[in-house]
Amino acid sequence: EAQVTQNPRYLITVTGKKLTVTCSQNMNHEYMSWYRQDPGLGLRQIYYSMNVEVTDKGDVPEGYKVSRKEKRNFPLILESPSPNQTSLYFCASRGSGGNTGELFFGEGSRLTVL
Amino acid sequence: QKEVEQDPGPLSVPEGAIVSLNCTYSNSAFQYFMWYRQYSRKGPELLMYTYSSGNKEDGRFTAQVDKSSKYISLFIRDSQPSDSATYLCAIWGAGSYQLTFGKGTKLSVIP
Repeated sequence: EAQVTQNPRYLITVTGKKLTVTCSQNMNHEYMSWYRQDPGLGLRQIYYSMNVEVTDKGDVPEGYKVSRKEKRNFPLILESPSPNQTSLYFCASRGSGGNTGELFFGEGSRLTVL
Repeated sequence: QKEVEQDPGPLSVPEGAIVSLNCTYSNSAFQYFMWYRQYSRKGPELLMYTYSSGNKEDGRFTAQVDKSSKYISLFIRDSQPSDSATYLCAIWGAGSYQLTFGKGTKLSVIP
């Protein structure tokens, strides 16, 4: 089954404790992206990657890091989480063919930083 | 002015009603228009996609684009409780991988 898998789905952590949210896709997609979703603010892009070893900042990259060492994986790293990073995070991927612009999203990771 | 504006609602309608969801956008370079549906505790999923001005139907759903007014709409006929979700418009321009999302409209269809 074609899917984007994120882990963990739920996480409560404390300020300053480094964490990684993993993302993996099995559709051989070149493009991957991370979003955060907050009430009243909608989906905001954090980082994206056009292909392996190619990453770029989205609209809200501060406080986050990413890496793309393999095509299928795109982890999101919070080196020193703060309470304002409490949010619902989505990983998404898209293939290079076609013009639909269809992004395939994971199920989401709800992060709470105390 | 934000690139994509969408009324967040919430919108509550009785079962069987016709629902109209709308977005406006500012960048005339946008060429592809999509509607995503997001159920509670799930990721967004593509519902409909259209390229040109005009209407596109898929069952009870109709997507409408008016490029001259920079206005896009999603109509749901004979709405069902299973249509209760957040609907996000999304727009992108040719040659770009970047989708611009509206904030989403939360719809509740009451039995």
